[in-house]
Amino acid sequence: DIQMTQSPSSVSASVGDRVTITCRASQGISSWLAWYQQKPGKAPKLLIYAASSLQTGVPSRFSGSGSGTDFTLTITNLQPEDFATYYCQQANSLPRTFGGGTKVEIK
Amino acid sequence: QLQLQESGPGLVKPSETLSLTCTVSGGSISSSSYYWGWIRQPPGKGLEWIGSIYYSGNTYYNPSLKSRVTISVDTSKTQFSLKLSSVTAADTAVYYCARGVYGSADDRFDYWGQGTLVTVSS
Repeated sequence: DIQMTQSPSSVSASVGDRVTITCRASQGISSWLAWYQQKPGKAPKLLIYAASSLQTGVPSRFSGSGSGTDFTLTITNLQPEDFATYYCQQANSLPRTFGGGTKVEIK
Repeated sequence: QLQLQESGPGLVKPSETLSLTCTVSGGSISSSSYYWGWIRQPPGKGLEWIGSIYYSGNTYYNPSLKSRVTISVDTSKTQFSLKLSSVTAADTAVYYCARGVYGSADDRFDYWGQGTLVTVSS
């Protein structure tokens, strides 16, 4: 199985800040990576796929980059509705695996 | 707008079989462009892929659950289902159904159900 490791596990930030979350795969996955946002009591919501493609309807302050084993999700100009937990997921091979999550909290 | 809705018992006894159904509305369940999956999340923990079923009928399961999982689809009812046998307390989780977009690097789960909590307890 491909292990997905996210860091940090949590981050405190203020509205307007820039937040960067990293995701590392245990082996190369090319660009087969998606990012999801999850708010308490809600289903995950797709933000980014193919490492850097923005899902329709997702604000442009969200961006993704990377390939191979190292990936980044960046949120610029953090908004109140962005406080949530973020997960990466590899789509390169089965079983599909997710990172452990990064909680973005209000400072 | 595509919608997915999970349904099934919220409480299952240990050693019994967990059965959930996902009803798809607002779109086709028979397109070769998509596949259908189940993902679960134990309380306070991360996401775990359970398995997926493709247009071809092929199914793929997480090896950690493979011996206990069956996913099937009923295109006439636009539903797909999950059965997980011999459950224990470790199977207590919120279970999500989701649509997968079939592709290469752009493979992803783009629509999710709201999730349903299944508790395993006597």
